[in-house]
Amino acid sequence: DAGVIQSPRHEVTEMGQEVTLRCKPISGHDYLFWYRQTMMRGLELLIYFNNNVPIDDSGMPEDRFSAKMPNASFSTLKIQPSEPRDSAVYFCASSQSTSGRTYFGPGTRLTVT
Amino acid sequence: QKEVEQDPGPLSVPEGAIVSLNCTYSNSAFQYFMWYRQYSRKGPELLMYTYSSGNKEDGRFTAQVDKSSKYISLFIRDSQPSDSATYLCAMWGNRLAFGKGNQVVVIP
Repeated sequence: DAGVIQSPRHEVTEMGQEVTLRCKPISGHDYLFWYRQTMMRGLELLIYFNNNVPIDDSGMPEDRFSAKMPNASFSTLKIQPSEPRDSAVYFCASSQSTSGRTYFGPGTRLTVT
Repeated sequence: QKEVEQDPGPLSVPEGAIVSLNCTYSNSAFQYFMWYRQYSRKGPELLMYTYSSGNKEDGRFTAQVDKSSKYISLFIRDSQPSDSATYLCAMWGNRLAFGKGNQVVVIP
């Protein structure tokens, strides 16, 4: 298995622009998580899905952030409009509920100028 | 009280020393316990996984879980410079809850 795939790996954008991050989870996994990591705040859970349904989005910072999972093999995290404080590494992770083993993608390093 | 507590202080040890890391938790619903290793500018990598109280060994790594005390530990024997990384504990109930992580530096 290729593991969790994320794209792009790096994104540099200007304040106010829309940013879309993409994730392909491991096949057969029924949970998908979006995390954000910064030096100051560490690893923060933004939102997670179970069987493509959003379960808890309480970690989403504000309405500028939205996430979708249209099918079992694809999810997006969108930021519109982006702000410099959104600069961070965004990780997607997936797991099987039967084991809890959760695997992370390589992350998308977002820089908003 | 946070669900998972991990003292985020950095740890520097000489090569060959034993590294000891630990986390406490408050949620009795946690069923699975994991340790992740994260190298600089990389994603967290699942290092150890266990679901029962007791010890689990994998090479130089030992994960220990004490459900009665709600306490988990990770030991690294004969530490190597390549073990220098951030180690995060994580626990699964119906989602994954993480500790803050410990930055470990193994000095040659």
